Amino acid sequence: GAGVSQSPRYKVAKRGQDVALRCDPISGHVSLFWYQQALGQGPEFLTYFQNEAQLDKSGLPSDRFFAERPEGSVSTLKIQRTQQEDSAVYLCASSSGTSGSYNEQFFGPGTRLTVL
Amino acid sequence: SQQGEEDPQALSIQEGENATMNCSYKTSINNLQWYRQNSGRGLVHLILIRSNEREKHSGRLRVTLDTSKKSSSLLITASRAADTASYFCATDEGGLSGGYQKVTFGTGTKLQVIP
Repeated sequence: GAGVSQSPRYKVAKRGQDVALRCDPISGHVSLFWYQQALGQGPEFLTYFQNEAQLDKSGLPSDRFFAERPEGSVSTLKIQRTQQEDSAVYLCASSSGTSGSYNEQFFGPGTRLTVL
Repeated sequence: SQQGEEDPQALSIQEGENATMNCSYKTSINNLQWYRQNSGRGLVHLILIRSNEREKHSGRLRVTLDTSKKSSSLLITASRAADTASYFCATDEGGLSGGYQKVTFGTGTKLQVIP
């Protein structure tokens, strides 16, 4: 079916506001990743889910960042008390497998977050 | 933190010319991939080369990998205006708990192909 979708595509928040970013992975994909991409940089890993389990959250920059995937499909990345340094494009990717062999990650279009 | 650094940071060429981008990385890897990103199509996987491979081709793309130098290059032959985009190398270490690929991206090369 369709690829990875993300919403909203653009979000403007005032400093201190909470935001929630949504990711709809490709149907049936077990693995889901969140990345943060600052302007002019490559994406940086934030967190990884295998089904509903969050196996790696080592890339989350602070405890203001929280991600969930309660039913093993749709995922939400929440940022509390947003700061200007949180301004970036947030990318979601999904892949079909979990094994050590390579499984291509398919990326969504991203959500561009601007914190004023 | 970024694993790799691409060189050059920006490249401008005429349509029909070849474009070469280089990537250096820091740690041992399982695979190295190249991605393209433009505003129209987001981040798209182009080609993967495994750590035990030295060269790989896909259409107009040629990738080389030198694990002794921890470097890779991407060659785009006969470039087209539609190749205008940012190109990123990405490495994965694998072997992590859960067996997933934790992909680490480089800083990117911005390619402009002038018609």
